[in-house]
Amino acid sequence: DQQVKQNSPSLSVQEGRISILNCDYTNSMFDYFLWYKKYPAEGPTFLISISSIKDKNEDGRFTVFLNKSAKHLSLHIVPSQPGDSAVYFCAARSQGGKLIFGQGTELSVKP
Amino acid sequence: NAGVTQTPKFQVLKTGQSMTLQCAQDMNHNSMYWYRQDPGMGLRLIYYSASEGTTDKGEVPNGYNVSRLNKREFSLRLESAAPSQTSVYFCASSEINRGSSGNTIYFGEGSWLTVV
Repeated sequence: DQQVKQNSPSLSVQEGRISILNCDYTNSMFDYFLWYKKYPAEGPTFLISISSIKDKNEDGRFTVFLNKSAKHLSLHIVPSQPGDSAVYFCAARSQGGKLIFGQGTELSVKP
Repeated sequence: NAGVTQTPKFQVLKTGQSMTLQCAQDMNHNSMYWYRQDPGMGLRLIYYSASEGTTDKGEVPNGYNVSRLNKREFSLRLESAAPSQTSVYFCASSEINRGSSGNTIYFGEGSWLTVV
């Protein structure tokens, strides 16, 4: 039973346009949501997070939106750059501090 | 900055063989984790250790054992490897941060394991 789901395995976007990556979750007790970025042959690295008591967090070109009623969050990248091409994992923090990850979405930004 | 270091990076095992993946972190973190990454499955937690001396099962613990040797080191052992354990394994560590960034985990570079 997947508690965190990323239903789009891949996304292709033109350079300069907006990339929107989506994530759904089932457990209303998650208190933090995070996005991680992963390049091939490397470990995932932290990108941005949002507390469950907020609905938006922005860091440069990256913005995460949280819709608690829909149990949905999204990551917006504006403008997208070729260097953003990577796999993006959504994660949710459960009670006790464990992170539950989604399946990942592979973003390809084309020049 | 070493961060999280895991060895070996690549390993091929025959079915039934045993092996241990080693992991060490130099960030003085209390919590350490082992994840596996499989296509279409994302990152799944195998075992974690909230602090030195404690270990707990994650989502997919069957076929694995762990040892939290000290605060720095957390090893993952496959006692009798099976082809289903072919995967990329990631060790990670974290410190609970109740501030604005939540609990951020730092990952190692991964260990590619193939069981034939």
